[in-house]
Amino acid sequence: EPEVTQTPSHQVTQMGQEVILRCVPISNHLYFYWYRQILGQKVEFLVSFYNNEISEKSEIFDDQFSVERPDGSNFTLKIRSTKLEDSAMYFCASTRTGGGTEAFFGQGTRLTVV
Amino acid sequence: QKEVEQNSGPLSVPEGAIASLNCTYSDRGSQSFFWYRQYSGKSPELIMFIYSNGDKEDGRFTAQLNKASQYVSLLIRDSQPSDSATYLCAVGPARQLTFGSGTQLTVLP
Repeated sequence: EPEVTQTPSHQVTQMGQEVILRCVPISNHLYFYWYRQILGQKVEFLVSFYNNEISEKSEIFDDQFSVERPDGSNFTLKIRSTKLEDSAMYFCASTRTGGGTEAFFGQGTRLTVV
Repeated sequence: QKEVEQNSGPLSVPEGAIASLNCTYSDRGSQSFFWYRQYSGKSPELIMFIYSNGDKEDGRFTAQLNKASQYVSLLIRDSQPSDSATYLCAVGPARQLTFGSGTQLTVLP
């Protein structure tokens, strides 16, 4: 069964450092997303990406965040200067279309900022 | 700002019983609704989705939608200990899901 894969599974970084989280969406999916979940809290939408550009983003997705599809398979989330409050699980997801079809989530990257 | 509310639980049911999970949402224009299951430390896993008023059944799971009341529910029949998890209600569109805080379900053997 096709799946969304994320690397690394766990990343520890020092405050102020840049991190890049990587995702390989399902191959025939056209929309890609990043969500985050701070420990014990809700899953929160960060950004959606379609046709090589951001289609929607939340208030959380400020200037320290960026996304990129550097090649035909990878989708990345970069956090430029990490803060302690960026510590969370980051989930990548993809959908075939942007409407009512279901979103499939990767297994997540646990980011710990120390 | 869309809001999705769920009873946080925890909800405990004996094995074999029916578990009932509820969700309300604030945006009357919402069209698509999803139930995800999340085991501790794992990613959300889609159980089922519903778009139309009424019931939708898939195996032991039944989703119910009432758009007039802005209410979505999930029934799990013949609950099993392996169903113990947090159940997340999410409101679409799929390109920007809004999640509730989840209901923690424990099925007691």
